[in-house]
Amino acid sequence: EVQLVESGGHLVQPGGSLSLSCTASGFTFSLYWMNWVRQTPGKGLEWVASMDQEGSEKYYLDSVKGRFTISRDNAKNSLLLQMNSLRVEDTAVYYCTRVDWGSSDYWGQGTLVSVSS
Amino acid sequence: DVVMTQSPLSLPVTLGQPASISCRSSQSLAHRDGKIYMTWFQQRPGQSPRRLIYQVSKRDSGVPDRFSGSGSDTDFTLKISWVETDDVAVYYCMQGSHWPWTFGRGTKVEIK
Repeated sequence: EVQLVESGGHLVQPGGSLSLSCTASGFTFSLYWMNWVRQTPGKGLEWVASMDQEGSEKYYLDSVKGRFTISRDNAKNSLLLQMNSLRVEDTAVYYCTRVDWGSSDYWGQGTLVSVSS
Repeated sequence: DVVMTQSPLSLPVTLGQPASISCRSSQSLAHRDGKIYMTWFQQRPGQSPRRLIYQVSKRDSGVPDRFSGSGSDTDFTLKISWVETDDVAVYYCMQGSHWPWTFGRGTKVEIK
């Protein structure tokens, strides 16, 4: 059974940093692109970042470019999102998703990031 | 960025009756590889999104055949042949043909 478990969500002050991780199981992690997608009550679902199997291709939402970094450790079946210079508008539930056939076929349960002073 | 416009945003439906949700993209979703990366998700209250349909009309494993997707270029539709109580959820369209991937605002399906 495919499972994606996110962790690392927290309350952080504006300008602060946070690292999210996602542990995958139930499939061969190294064969798939992976995504981070976030959700807020106000803006709905928003794609954040994508990464290919080896880390040679990475794509980011414009508003997080230069602040967020997606990475992965295929040996540990884990996906990471390093978030720096956090803003209030980054407050959201962050989901780790697997990509298959051009979209996210499996989603984790999400981890809540709150950016507030 | 490709804007995905969903309608309606709220859809009250009688049990057993059909439902249809439209999604229009601001530009063609034809990818350079010839495929159209149009996806529909269902999000039940308190749950993570679940993929129902990918590449316009392909149903994911375990998705009832009451759900179907259709469309081309910029106009897409998700149809539920007859609505059951389990279908109460918010439905989102998403395009993955162009970076950044973008979602519609969601359509809330509820029982009348």
